[in-house]
Amino acid sequence: DADVTQTPRNRITKTGKRIMLECSQTKGHDRMYWYRQDPGLGLRLIYYSFDVKDINKGEISDGYSVSRQAQAKFSLSLESAIPNQTALYFCATSDSGPGGANGYTFGSGTRLTVV
Amino acid sequence: GENVEQHPSTLSVQEGDSAVIKCTYSDSASNYFPWYKQELGKRPQLIIDIRSNVGEKKDQRIAVTLNKTAKHFSLHITETQPEDSAVYFCAAFPGVLGQNFVFGPGTRLSVLP
Repeated sequence: DADVTQTPRNRITKTGKRIMLECSQTKGHDRMYWYRQDPGLGLRLIYYSFDVKDINKGEISDGYSVSRQAQAKFSLSLESAIPNQTALYFCATSDSGPGGANGYTFGSGTRLTVV
Repeated sequence: GENVEQHPSTLSVQEGDSAVIKCTYSDSASNYFPWYKQELGKRPQLIIDIRSNVGEKKDQRIAVTLNKTAKHFSLHITETQPEDSAVYFCAAFPGVLGQNFVFGPGTRLSVLP
């Protein structure tokens, strides 16, 4: 089945370390997103990309960077991890059909703990 | 920009009763409104959506209604079951393809046996 895959599923890292979260999709969607989820704060957008040459900041991009290596791959990096970046991270994809926007497909998530 | 509010933040119902979650949005140009269900430890999944040219949509026990004049939309779950227990998120799409969904903060629904 076409899907959105995130690696790793869980990661514990130390403060100051650089870490990369990876996302790949087989849905053929052109748009990819990274969200962060904290308890009680819902889903907050970090970065998004509408195609391989397009990268845009979301509402909470400070401390993060992204790379869109191919239509199917979108990676999120924490340049120097800090404890308040401990959260659940979701990658999502969507297309932009003739009817307008369509819903997201989310990856299974990466639970990141920074100690 | 678009702002989405969602109420209530938590909701407990008895099994078999109905549950209603309401969202309001600020941008009258928003034209697409999906609802996501997130079970504990799992990814959010799209359960139903509605576009601005439709007032109501049903899928078995769930339905969504949209009031464009008042700028609110609601999720209705009838005959609730324990497996309906989850966090539900609403979202609004601002109507311009260069923009993104704006999510509500979520509602934690508990269905009590």
